Amino acid sequence: TQLLEQSPQFLSIQEGENLTVYCNSSSVFSSLQWYRQEPGEGPVLLVTVVTGGEVKKLKRLTFQFGDARKDSSLHITAAQPGDTGLYLCAGGEKEYGNKLVFGAGTILRVKS
Amino acid sequence: GAGVSQSPRYKVAKRGQDVALRCDPISGHVSLFWYQQALGQGPEFLTYFQNEAQLDKSGLPSDRFFAERPEGSVSTLKIQRTQQEDSAVYLCASSSLVAYSNQPQHFGDGTRLSIL
Repeated sequence: TQLLEQSPQFLSIQEGENLTVYCNSSSVFSSLQWYRQEPGEGPVLLVTVVTGGEVKKLKRLTFQFGDARKDSSLHITAAQPGDTGLYLCAGGEKEYGNKLVFGAGTILRVKS
Repeated sequence: GAGVSQSPRYKVAKRGQDVALRCDPISGHVSLFWYQQALGQGPEFLTYFQNEAQLDKSGLPSDRFFAERPEGSVSTLKIQRTQQEDSAVYLCASSSLVAYSNQPQHFGDGTRLSIL
């Protein structure tokens, strides 16, 4: 089974600071998705990256897929309290029959 | 609503009892997934349906876990003779068309199962 390691596990920062969350594996994934989960709710998809080296931006969030498709990062610029939540990366193990392998998640707390 | 609906939201059962968890996917979605999320962890894959066919059940932890989707829409996850280690949030997700890795999965809010 392919594994995804996320770091850091927990991040507490002040409003306006920048941060980066990492998602690493020794295995190649056909795609990588980032989700955000609030307490008591299911994960909500933020972005999907499929091409090695791909960079996608979603307002203040920048997502990057590593060239070898083994790692990914999420960078948040000028974090706001509304960004608080659990951020999960999930890798698609194969192109068809998308069983997602999730990392353990990064809990982000942004203080005002 | 238009999203994935799961019921019940919370379920408390005594060890040894059987439980059934229901998932109503987004209308027309072909693919349906079940995940188990332990406290402080990311979701772990349990099983996958394409319409009524269960194509992957490699994540089911034991033969006490059983899932079905008889008419290709609503799905039920059944756990027999529950044990304390079964306590977790059970998430259901659906995806349109056939599940390719770049397609989004739409998650329900889960059922929180507590085994006493």
